[in-house]
Amino acid sequence: QKEVEQNSGPLSVPEGAIASLNCTYSDRGSQSFFWYRQYSGKSPELIMSIYSNGDKEDGRFTAQLNKASQYVSLLIRDSQPSDSATYLCASRQGSQGNLIFGKGTKLSVKP
Amino acid sequence: DAMVIQNPRYQVTQFGKPVTLSCSQTLNHNVMYWYQQKSSQAPKLLFHYYDKDFNNEADTPDNFQSRRPNTSFCFLDIRSPGLGDAAMYLCATSRAPTGRRQPQHFGDGTRLSIL
Repeated sequence: QKEVEQNSGPLSVPEGAIASLNCTYSDRGSQSFFWYRQYSGKSPELIMSIYSNGDKEDGRFTAQLNKASQYVSLLIRDSQPSDSATYLCASRQGSQGNLIFGKGTKLSVKP
Repeated sequence: DAMVIQNPRYQVTQFGKPVTLSCSQTLNHNVMYWYQQKSSQAPKLLFHYYDKDFNNEADTPDNFQSRRPNTSFCFLDIRSPGLGDAAMYLCATSRAPTGRRQPQHFGDGTRLSIL
């Protein structure tokens, strides 16, 4: 059974702090990883994708991938209350596989 | 803007009464997906179309069916909804050949309630 695991939270951080969201996956064949943000009652919105080991930065967001440890993370710098949402981690096996989603981590940024 | 549009946003139906949810896209993507998402759970893939080829997930109940009359539209039909089918239904699209760099783009979802 291919699985993506996330801590459901809630993760609470003060405004301006760094929020660190973690994800592990079971399928070593996974090649692509995506972070989606989902506001309550809304659909998932893609915010980051990563395919190679190391870090990938986009504005306040940094995705980190360690394939040896089967570990993906998302760092949000200078967290804002508007970042409060559930963050879904997803993996894809190969180039044609469907996405496998984790249950998501609920992030709360306190003013 | 190019987008994935789901209608209606909220749907209420009676136990056992057939219901259809719709999805349209202007992205001209050839893959369309239907997911079911219950509260605090991961989106669960029900099925997807790769062009006209229908791919059903093994654990999708027979109660759920889909139609894709053309590239732009895809429908989710629930023949006899039960209370356990109350959920958010998400439509997504992607470009294929998928390629590892192609993400899925989601619509705003339809929240289905069963009376």
